[in-house]
Amino acid sequence: AQTVTQSQPEMSVQEAETVTLSCTYDTSESDYYLFWYKQPPSRQMILVIRQEAYKQQNATENRFSVNFQKAAKSFSLKISDSQLGDAAMYFCAYRSFRNQFYFGTGTSLTVIP
Amino acid sequence: DTAVSQTPKYLVTQMGNDKSIKCEQNLGHDTMYWYKQDSKKFLKIMFSYNNKELIINETVPNRFSPKSPDKAHLNLHINSLELGDSAVYFCASSQDLAGGREQFFGPGTRLTVL
Repeated sequence: AQTVTQSQPEMSVQEAETVTLSCTYDTSESDYYLFWYKQPPSRQMILVIRQEAYKQQNATENRFSVNFQKAAKSFSLKISDSQLGDAAMYFCAYRSFRNQFYFGTGTSLTVIP
Repeated sequence: DTAVSQTPKYLVTQMGNDKSIKCEQNLGHDTMYWYKQDSKKFLKIMFSYNNKELIINETVPNRFSPKSPDKAHLNLHINSLELGDSAVYFCASSQDLAGGREQFFGPGTRLTVL
């Protein structure tokens, strides 16, 4: 079975600075999808960014970008110009070709004013 | 319009009771899921349904049973509630077709068993 590992239970960043959240995964599949979800205190799960494994280009959504290293099975999230509203729990997720989802254990991000 | 909705958002009940949580999605998705999120924020997949067929069933006690009256609904029924069932339960849905789309989540139901 696929596993998703987030090795940083907690991270902090100064407002306006950049932070990178790590995620690694284990799989034998060649086609799959990766996601980062954000869960603020409201507990709603919000999609931040997605990456298709067959695409070499790293996905970008405004201040959020990923560093996808397929060979290393690494999928890190970079948040630039951090804002107070970025404070949340961040989950890395893997979607298999057979539509099964696997989530990491999450990274709690604190933004310091 | 709410894409994935759950009712109720909060549920407080006594040990031993039976309760249900309802979930509806208006996205036309093929697959629906139930997750349990514990106090440490770990997300654990419980069930998924694809066209009324159970395709994932992790090591969940048989006190938990998903019920899908149609493609847009996947309700979670829990018998003989225990203290350890206290958690936030999320419903989610996704599209099976090629495209690798993400899951859409409901707002969650916080279940407290006293």
